[in-house]
Amino acid sequence: AQSVAQPEDQVNVAEGNPLTVKCTYSVSGNPYLFWYVQYPNRGLQFLLKYITGDNLVKGSYGFEAEFNKSQTSFHLKKPSALVSDSALYFCAVRLRGSTLGRLYFGRGTQLTVWP
Amino acid sequence: DTGVSQNPRHKITKRGQNVTFRCDPISEHNRLYWYRQTLGQGPEFLTYFQNEAQLEKSRLLSDRFSAERPKGSFSTLEIQRTEQGDSAMYLCASSTPGGGTTDTQYFGPGTRLTVL
Repeated sequence: AQSVAQPEDQVNVAEGNPLTVKCTYSVSGNPYLFWYVQYPNRGLQFLLKYITGDNLVKGSYGFEAEFNKSQTSFHLKKPSALVSDSALYFCAVRLRGSTLGRLYFGRGTQLTVWP
Repeated sequence: DTGVSQNPRHKITKRGQNVTFRCDPISEHNRLYWYRQTLGQGPEFLTYFQNEAQLEKSRLLSDRFSAERPKGSFSTLEIQRTEQGDSAMYLCASSTPGGGTTDTQYFGPGTRLTVL
């Protein structure tokens, strides 16, 4: 069975500090990896994805994520957090080689950035 | 490109009633997905269309659920004889043309269903 774990339900950081939102996965093979962000009463917005190549992926709004194959992790990072980054963040995986394309999501991590 | 749109945004219904949601994908996106998100959980896959063909259905999609994409453009998701457990946010996503396994799914704002 495919699974995605976001071990922290909540992450709290001060504005200007670096932030990390953790994600680990357990899937067949090497998946494609995604991060999405959700603001209240809104759909999911795509932030970034890892397909292949450089383990550090840069995305929207200054976010980046580091893929670690040996640890099966894909942690989301940002060097300097903003209050406006406060939202719900989801890690997702898609099976490589699958033509069907469904995403498997983690439960989400609520990020709060306080001034 | 106006993004994925979903209607209605909110739906309140009584148990036992039928409801139908609509999703309009990004134009020319040939892949369309439905997900369900309950409070405190990540989205869970329901079904997938490539053009008008429904290629995959989750076990979550019980007999009371049906989805269509008749002309390969918009899609509808119908729930018959709603139950309180159907209360959730229903999300639609579409993905970039060209296929392959690396396309990105772009999500609509969702339809929040409340079953009383």
